[in-house]
Amino acid sequence: GDSVTQMEGPVTLSEEAFLTINCTYTATGYPSLFWYVQYPGEGLQLLLKATKADDKGSNKGFEATYRKETTSFHLEKGSVQVSDSAVYFCALDSGGSNYKLTFGKGTLLTVNP
Amino acid sequence: GAVVSQHPSWVICKSGTSVKIECRSLDFQATTMFWYRQFPKQSLMLMATSNEGSKATYEQGVEKDKFLINHASLTLSTLTVTSAHPEDSSFYICSALLGTSGAVPQYFGPGTRLTVT
Repeated sequence: GDSVTQMEGPVTLSEEAFLTINCTYTATGYPSLFWYVQYPGEGLQLLLKATKADDKGSNKGFEATYRKETTSFHLEKGSVQVSDSAVYFCALDSGGSNYKLTFGKGTLLTVNP
Repeated sequence: GAVVSQHPSWVICKSGTSVKIECRSLDFQATTMFWYRQFPKQSLMLMATSNEGSKATYEQGVEKDKFLINHASLTLSTLTVTSAHPEDSSFYICSALLGTSGAVPQYFGPGTRLTVT
């Protein structure tokens, strides 16, 4: 079955540091890939997405590239801010008519001033 | 755009009572909504898929008689936790599907914190 593996957290960085959160996946077919962010006490917000190999999703300074050859979708940001502190979830939709998402376990990011 | 709301945002109820949680898509119509449960510091567990005008599809291990789902309109789905027990205490999150073709993202509500005493 489909699965998503994220690097385990927590990740603690200083402001303006470079961020990478690794995500790899296993899926049949050609999945769409997503990163969601969850701020404390809130639901999930779509951060970015990519629908096919070599696509790069980007938003709010974050970016991730769909790498089919390595089945990866790593999240990066060049300079994190305190306000980026949140839990980040990698997810995939393997397609088909049920639109179900398979989530990774989430990675807690804490950015200190 | 693509805003999903939930009500209430938090609720405390006594063991044995029932609680209804609403999920609304505010600026779009959603034929499909999803209900998730999230335990502290864990990922989301899909409970069921809610389709407007038809019965919900429950994931394996989820009691459909305990977690009643109704998708009465294209903008509203409800989850009723019946005869709640302390082990039902959790963060319940809904999402709505925007569109039905291509790479369709799910848009999530802010969640409902349920505490059963």
